[in-house]
Amino acid sequence: KNQVEQSPQSLIILEGKNCTLQCNYTVSPFSNLRWYKQDTGRGPVSLTIMTFSENTKSNGRYTATLDADTKQSSLHITASQLSDSASYICVIPTSGTYKYIFGTGTRLKVLA
Amino acid sequence: NAGVTQTPKFQVLKTGQSMTLQCAQDMNHNSMYWYRQDPGMGLRLIYYSASEGTTDKGEVPNGYNVSRLNKREFSLRLESAAPSQTSVYFCAIPDGGLGNTIYFGEGSWLTVV
Repeated sequence: KNQVEQSPQSLIILEGKNCTLQCNYTVSPFSNLRWYKQDTGRGPVSLTIMTFSENTKSNGRYTATLDADTKQSSLHITASQLSDSASYICVIPTSGTYKYIFGTGTRLKVLA
Repeated sequence: NAGVTQTPKFQVLKTGQSMTLQCAQDMNHNSMYWYRQDPGMGLRLIYYSASEGTTDKGEVPNGYNVSRLNKREFSLRLESAAPSQTSVYFCAIPDGGLGNTIYFGEGSWLTVV
């Protein structure tokens, strides 16, 4: 069964600290994985995409990694800011279909 | 979220009432989707339209109907609202390209009492 599991469910950190969010998947065949950021009261917005052949990709203070062998991805946030407070959602398309598999998200709260 | 416009932003309905959520895009994409988002669950697909004139059921279609009015507009209708339909609804536009980005609307918060 195609599944995407994220951990932790929620996380509270102090401003300036780093954190890592996890995404484990069982989607097959796998082509790419995308991380979205969802601010409270808004729709999700794409942060970065990881394709099958990529291991690491950075987007400012966000660094995503992918291990296609263990079917795991992580999103590392460096030097967190208050504006990083949001839910982070891992999404994988199912090849050849209309369907996207969404993780339940990690809710991050950054405290001053 | 520019390019995907949803209305209304908030709505409170009584059980049994009907309403329509509207979605319009200016991205000229063929596909348009409706999702619902509930606490502790990933976004779930209600209905989708792969192109103008076609609609198909997603994972949770019961209690909903849709209309793809033209290439720009895709509406979601609740014929007889139930408390279980209290949720946040998102219209989404998959670009279908290599990156497979999904562009989401700002969401519609619906409460059924």
